[in-house]
Amino acid sequence: GDSVTQMEGPVTLSEEACLTINCTYTATGYPSLFWYVQYPGEGLQLLLKATKADDKGSNKGFEATYRKETTSFHLEKGSVQVSDSAVYFCALSVTTQGGSEKLVFGKGTKLTVNP
Amino acid sequence: DGGITQSPKYLFRKEGQNVTLSCEQNLNHDAMYWYRQDPGQGLRLIYYSQIVNDFQKGDIAEGYSVSREKKESFPLTVTSAQKNPTAFYLCASSRWTGRTEAFFGQGTRLTVV
Repeated sequence: GDSVTQMEGPVTLSEEACLTINCTYTATGYPSLFWYVQYPGEGLQLLLKATKADDKGSNKGFEATYRKETTSFHLEKGSVQVSDSAVYFCALSVTTQGGSEKLVFGKGTKLTVNP
Repeated sequence: DGGITQSPKYLFRKEGQNVTLSCEQNLNHDAMYWYRQDPGQGLRLIYYSQIVNDFQKGDIAEGYSVSREKKESFPLTVTSAQKNPTAFYLCASSRWTGRTEAFFGQGTRLTVV
């Protein structure tokens, strides 16, 4: 079935370090792909998305490219800040047999950035 | 401002009691979802609804029930049949058509005491 596998955490970095969180997926058809971020005690917020192969989503210095050939959507940032400390979820949108859409999430990767 | 409101933020329940979590949205979204979040397990789908008066089971529906009498509201009842109800519950909504993103509420942390 449809699934998302993302890099296990936790990840600890120093401020201004480079970040990569790996995400690969299994899906039938052509899903849309998303990265969500969750700050402590809160719900999820959309960070970026890509709806077709080779699309690049970007927001707040984060980027991810939809790679159909490797079924991947890795999250990258060139220089992280303390305020980026959060849990990051990779997700894909699939269409059910009934025609509805639902999101399938990875397990999340906790990022801690130290000053 | 448009958004999703979950209430309460914290909820305590005695074993054997049913409890209902509220979720309201004013985004005019057709689709609404309930997820359960446990440490190290990500988000798991409990129920979802695409239109009023219709809903489908997700991956872990046992011990839960929902209703969708109004477009804006999608309450979740955690019944006494749910064996391990202590968790963080998240409600979300999205537009019906297209592969659009979901908008999430702030969550309800349920603790069974």
